[in-house]
Amino acid sequence: EPEVTQTPSHQVTQMGQEVILRCVPISNHLYFYWYRQILGQKVEFLVSFYNNEISEKSEIFDDQFSVERPDGSNFTLKIRSTKLEDSAMYFCASSEAGTIYEQYFGPGTRLTVT
Amino acid sequence: AQTVTQSQPEMSVQEAETVTLSCTYDTSESDYYLFWYKQPPSRQMILVIRQEAYKQQNATENRFSVNFQKAAKSFSLKISDSQLGDAAMYFCAYRTRGTYKYIFGTGTRLKVLA
Repeated sequence: EPEVTQTPSHQVTQMGQEVILRCVPISNHLYFYWYRQILGQKVEFLVSFYNNEISEKSEIFDDQFSVERPDGSNFTLKIRSTKLEDSAMYFCASSEAGTIYEQYFGPGTRLTVT
Repeated sequence: AQTVTQSQPEMSVQEAETVTLSCTYDTSESDYYLFWYKQPPSRQMILVIRQEAYKQQNATENRFSVNFQKAAKSFSLKISDSQLGDAAMYFCAYRTRGTYKYIFGTGTRLKVLA
């Protein structure tokens, strides 16, 4: 069964550095999402993306964050200047279509900012 | 704002027995979806079951069923004939129809005892 994949599984970076988290959504899916989970807290929505545009974003998704689909298979989340509080598990998800379809999640990338 | 609450951080069940995981939510919307996702250790979240709010009939998927009480804003998951492979973190999630954002509960860790 097709799965969403994410790389790397664990990323360690220094405060102030830029980091790019990568995701390969399921191939026929058209909608893509990022969520994060700070240790001990709930999984939180960051952004949804369709047709090369952000369709919805949360208040967490500020100017430090950006998303891109650089080619036909990858979907990336960039954090421009990482802060300690960006340390979290980041989950990518995708869905066939938009708001009536369930989302399929990747295994996550654990980001540690030191 | 919508919220999802899972009041049981951890539950245990004997193999072959039945267990019920609780979830309550708060919303002023009338049209929405509710989900249960399962996350095995170090694996991605997998959809277990989905319920549309406009459907009165409780959703069922093999050994998994829900008790959806719309007026009480309650959405519990019943696992029958529990198996060792059911051991995982279970997340309850909500999404308003027409939006992309999932709102998650904090999760319930289910242990299955042999």
